[in-house]
Amino acid sequence: NAGVTQTPKFRVLKTGQSMTLLCAQDMNHEYMYWYRQDPGMGLRLIHYSVGEGTTAKGEVPDGYNVSRLKKQNFLLGLESAAPSQTSVYFCASSYTNQPQHFGDGTRLSIL
Amino acid sequence: DAKTTQPPSMDCAEGRAANLPCNHSTISGNEYVYWYRQIHSQGPQYIIHGLKNNETNEMASLIITEDRKSSTLILPHATLRDTAVYYCIVRVAAGAQKLVFGQGTRLTINP
Repeated sequence: NAGVTQTPKFRVLKTGQSMTLLCAQDMNHEYMYWYRQDPGMGLRLIHYSVGEGTTAKGEVPDGYNVSRLKKQNFLLGLESAAPSQTSVYFCASSYTNQPQHFGDGTRLSIL
Repeated sequence: DAKTTQPPSMDCAEGRAANLPCNHSTISGNEYVYWYRQIHSQGPQYIIHGLKNNETNEMASLIITEDRKSSTLILPHATLRDTAVYYCIVRVAAGAQKLVFGQGTRLTINP
């Protein structure tokens, strides 16, 4: 039972490069979320999705784009990476009205 | 969403009960109290949630005061593996669970 799987686990980028973080869940959850966590702080919501083909902005959406083409996948894109986006990124999923299940995170460094 | 207040850190001896307090004096009638924890740098893990009645599961107990303005998470027999940051979050149960993480309580279990 894989749960929520994030790919990659680690990545180093140069400023201005682009990349996509992949989140996959095998629990048939309707809702999926992307958070970022900076050192010593709690998680902050970037974007979320309430179903296939739908996305919405969270607390800190600037500089990120997302897509939910398939129910089980939620992609987070950085078009032009900036050092301020160095962070640990967590994906989560849930059923309606149910607690969230989190992945193990992607550690992203931007030089 | 109601704001929560937690002590920044706590210590507990292994084998003892760990009692983690949370104040949420502005909680609304339809908001639940959720507890998550984050062990080291892993993704957050759901522990328990409740509306107004005390709740217990295999991990912990949740005691909510009658006026619902505060609650206590109880780990009955703390082990070293319970060392983590514990987050108290107040949210309505319906719709997308846009969790707002504060800085939580860093619980250290001492041998």
